[in-house]
Amino acid sequence: DTGVSQNPRHKITKRGQNVTFRCDPISEHNRLYWYRQTLGQGPEFLTYFQNEAQLEKSRLLSDRFSAERPKGSFSTLEIQRTEQGDSAMYLCASSSGTGGVEKLFFGSGTQLSVL
Amino acid sequence: EDQVTQSPEALRLQEGESSSLNCSYTVSGLRGLFWYRQDPGKGPEFLFTLYSAGEEKEKERLKATLTKKESFLHITAPKPEDSATYLCAVHPGSNYKLTFGKGTLLTVNP
Repeated sequence: DTGVSQNPRHKITKRGQNVTFRCDPISEHNRLYWYRQTLGQGPEFLTYFQNEAQLEKSRLLSDRFSAERPKGSFSTLEIQRTEQGDSAMYLCASSSGTGGVEKLFFGSGTQLSVL
Repeated sequence: EDQVTQSPEALRLQEGESSSLNCSYTVSGLRGLFWYRQDPGKGPEFLFTLYSAGEEKEKERLKATLTKKESFLHITAPKPEDSATYLCAVHPGSNYKLTFGKGTLLTVNP
């Protein structure tokens, strides 16, 4: 399977706990993106990487959120001290990074529920 | 700030009943407009990229068109398997952040 892979698919946690999600992009893709989607809304941009460099972060990404992409391969998104408002689908996408207008390939997402 | 507005929010069609979905946008320096399809519990699946006003793209029963202010996704003789949420997104000139609309939930009844 050469698509974008996200794990876990579902995560249920209690308020105040830390959670970490993993994304494995398409192997030859240099750009990796994180988006968040709540019910009835379109995906909202969180952050993106060019190789291992995090180039842009949304104002939505509070200090409790951190993303990494060591060695420019897979990426992790960590949420510390989760709040009920963090409940959402977290989507990862990748693109070729060759420049111009690039279509994004999305994974199936991680559905987070904070109780 | 880039904005994308999709209408209607939901659309219910009978199989074979053609219709159109609308995407209105404001963006600084549009580099591209995307249409994605999203099935429940899954990530968006790429359909089309449109780059400039007047451009049209087709795929099976879908045709996307673009003007300077809006895009339309025309669906001809839809089938139940076309039921999904259709998302529109704009790629601005200054960065790689896509701005998505809320989507149109399309239901096609047999």
